[in-house]
Amino acid sequence: QVQLQESGPGLVKPSETLSLTCTVSGYSISSGYYWGWIRQPPGKGLEWIGSIYHSGSTYYNPSLKSRVTISVDTSKNQFSLKLSSVTAADTAVYYCARVMENVLSDYYMDVWGKGTTVTVSS
Amino acid sequence: SYELTQPPSVSVSPGQTARITCSGDALPKKYPYWYQQKSGQAPVLVIYEDSKRPSGIPERFSGSSSGTMATLTISGAQVEDEADYYCYSTDSSGNPVFGGGTKLTVL
Repeated sequence: QVQLQESGPGLVKPSETLSLTCTVSGYSISSGYYWGWIRQPPGKGLEWIGSIYHSGSTYYNPSLKSRVTISVDTSKNQFSLKLSSVTAADTAVYYCARVMENVLSDYYMDVWGKGTTVTVSS
Repeated sequence: SYELTQPPSVSVSPGQTARITCSGDALPKKYPYWYQQKSGQAPVLVIYEDSKRPSGIPERFSGSSSGTMATLTISGAQVEDEADYYCYSTDSSGNPVFGGGTKLTVL
């Protein structure tokens, strides 16, 4: 059974870069699927950040694209998120997830990590 | 930008049927999905591709759609179903979008 676990600093200073890693167990990333990041500000709804295929191809939320980089390390069975120039508005719970493809070649998240809280503050 | 619209809250008594709606212009051509998020927990997929139920999800959860409206139905809602529910789909370009969420109260 696939499981995902987020890790990274819980506190980031404004203007710096937020870096998180998702470790996948129970499934080899190099075998396929997309893998994604989603966030949820305190008391608010969910926002898709972006996704990456095991080969490295990516697609990002247009509203965050200029600040987001998602990468994959198949040797460690991990994928990572970098979000640059953070502000207080980037304070959120960050989730990683497995991304499935449907028959229309659209994507959805079926298995999620437990999430990690990141606070942006000086 | 594309939006999926949900009611902020729905309230039912235990054993009643709860219906949560989600409207979006692209829904006639894109599948809707539904996630359940209990307080302090990660979202869980309860309905995918309009009406399919993942393994382990109780039969009282069902999904349907017609035109620009998708509906999550919980038949005989139980106290443990109290949670936030998010609809999800993609816009015409394939970009993922979540609805604003609906807080379901069962009491």
